[in-house]
Amino acid sequence: GENVEQHPSTLSVQEGDSAVIKCTYSDSASNYFPWYKQELGKRPQLIIDIRSNVGEKKDQRIAVTLNKTAKHFSLHITETQPEDSAVYFCAASISGSARQLTFGSGTQLTVLP
Amino acid sequence: GAGVSQSPRYKVAKRGQDVALRCDPISGHVSLFWYQQALGQGPEFLTYFQNEAQLDKSGLPSDRFFAERPEGSVSTLKIQRTQQEDSAVYLCASRPQTLSQETQYFGPGTRLLVL
Repeated sequence: GENVEQHPSTLSVQEGDSAVIKCTYSDSASNYFPWYKQELGKRPQLIIDIRSNVGEKKDQRIAVTLNKTAKHFSLHITETQPEDSAVYFCAASISGSARQLTFGSGTQLTVLP
Repeated sequence: GAGVSQSPRYKVAKRGQDVALRCDPISGHVSLFWYQQALGQGPEFLTYFQNEAQLDKSGLPSDRFFAERPEGSVSTLKIQRTQQEDSAVYLCASRPQTLSQETQYFGPGTRLLVL
């Protein structure tokens, strides 16, 4: 089955700096890659996603890049703000009827004011 | 509109007790997923429903875990004879039917603590 590795597990940045989180996946059949933000005690919320037919996608301060050949994808957050502090999860979905998500282990991002 | 809701939000059970966790998906969403999230980890897939049909239960960790969605809307995850290793947050997610709609919308989860 699919395996998703995520790094780093913790990341601290100064407010205004950029943050980058990287993930690799194992199954070349995966074609959908969402990123979720989860605040303490809250539900995971989708912040951005990318499909395998696209190499990069941007939404305001957030961008995701995908390298299908290397089987890795990254989340980039620019001009970080204290409210960006949370746990971020990457995930991959294998083509098929269920298309369940396989998640990485998460990155605790702390933005220092 | 209303999002995915789950109840109870917190459940404390003694080892050996049975528990039932409820999920109300977004109205009209055909697909429903259950995930288990251990402390400090990402969610792990348990089972998947399309309407009332359970099409994939490959992630259920043992035969003590059972899920149903009899009318294709509300779903219940039941854990029999709970063990301490069952302690986790159980997340439900729903998704629209169309192939172009990949986004899964998560509920707030039920935090289960088995003593």
